[in-house]
Amino acid sequence: GAGVSQSPRYKVAKRGQDVALRCDPISGHVSLFWYQQALGQGPEFLTYFQNEAQLDKSGLPSDRFFAERPEGSVSTLKIQRTQQEDSAVYLCASSSRQTILFFGSGTQLSVL
Amino acid sequence: AQSVAQPEDQVNVAEGNPLTVKCTYSVSGNPYLFWYVQYPNRGLQFLLKYITGDNLVKGSYGFEAEFNKSQTSFHLKKPSALVSDSALYFCAVRDMGRAAGNKLTFGGGTRVLVKP
Repeated sequence: GAGVSQSPRYKVAKRGQDVALRCDPISGHVSLFWYQQALGQGPEFLTYFQNEAQLDKSGLPSDRFFAERPEGSVSTLKIQRTQQEDSAVYLCASSSRQTILFFGSGTQLSVL
Repeated sequence: AQSVAQPEDQVNVAEGNPLTVKCTYSVSGNPYLFWYVQYPNRGLQFLLKYITGDNLVKGSYGFEAEFNKSQTSFHLKKPSALVSDSALYFCAVRDMGRAAGNKLTFGGGTRVLVKP
């Protein structure tokens, strides 16, 4: 596609529910990043893939967060047993060998 | 570890006046620096980057940024602001670790409000 696509655009979850957020990067981009953005703050790094390999997951806040990119293209960020503090916008970005990251519009997660 | 700081939470400017959004950085080695803009309910859009070369970098929508090594700053500027420039602006620095890819560390953001 022309840009990074994320779905759903909005997600409301009850506390304790599992959620899955999808990212479809720009075709051919080998690098994929997930960021978490709290309201009014800068994006915080969660995890990074190069093709299907997860090279850095140092930003995942707990073992309830899990990301995968099994075929080196689409990625899914899964959050188990959601908590209110997980409410945020989750941004996905992809890049080629160049240094510029291209971001999707994000998934706004609200945990009630 | 590298970091960037944006000392102003909000900048207010009248339309047609110059706009400056401040950013300072802390890295070991030569920095790769970026500016992104975020409009409401949208993802981040790339404005410009500094890798090497001229200290004055020109980017999208008439924006430019000046890299100053002695002051460790990378301020974003626009000579004449438009109401449509009202948005959230983020400065970022690239992680230089071997396995980091193009991972960016972002500042806290500066909200720009341009009044007619």
